[in-house]
Amino acid sequence: GENVEQHPSTLSVQEGDSAVIKCTYSDSASNYFPWYKQELGKRPQLIIDIRSNVGEKKDQRIAVTLNKTAKHFSLHITETQPEDSAVYFCAASQNTGNQFYFGTGTSLTVIP
Amino acid sequence: KAGVTQTPRYLIKTRGQQVTLSCSPISGHRSVSWYQQTPGQGLQFLFEYFSETQRNKGNFPGRFSGRQFSNSRSEMNVSTLELGDSALYLCASSAASSGNTIYFGEGSWLTVV
Repeated sequence: GENVEQHPSTLSVQEGDSAVIKCTYSDSASNYFPWYKQELGKRPQLIIDIRSNVGEKKDQRIAVTLNKTAKHFSLHITETQPEDSAVYFCAASQNTGNQFYFGTGTSLTVIP
Repeated sequence: KAGVTQTPRYLIKTRGQQVTLSCSPISGHRSVSWYQQTPGQGLQFLFEYFSETQRNKGNFPGRFSGRQFSNSRSEMNVSTLELGDSALYLCASSAASSGNTIYFGEGSWLTVV
């Protein structure tokens, strides 16, 4: 089955700096890659996603890049703010239903 | 539109007991999936239902089961509870049959003592 690896597991940045989280996947059949943000005690919430026919997608301060050849995708957050502090999960899925494989999460702390 | 609703939110059970968790998807969503979240293992896929049929199943023992009703509401059951079943159980729904965004509920926090 699919295996998604996520790095780093923890990340601390100064407010205003950029943060980058990287994920790799193993199965070339995976074609949909969402990113979720989970604040303490809350549900995971979708922040951005990308499909395999696109190399990059941006939404204000958040962007995701996908390299299908290398089987990795990354989340980029610019001009970080304290409210960006949370755990971020990457995920991958294929066209076989809505089964998602998640990375182990990155705990991001933005220091004011 | 109301989000994914899960009940109960918190529960404590004793080893050997069984538990049933309920999930109401977003209106119009026919796909419901369940995930177990623990600090050590992250988010692990349990199973997915679409139109009352289980389509995918994760690598969990047979003590974990689920079902979906004609109104798309879903339940999952865990029998013969073990201490290691203590976790946050998240339900997610999706509008599409595959490859589409899933939206999570707030989860049910299960503690087994």
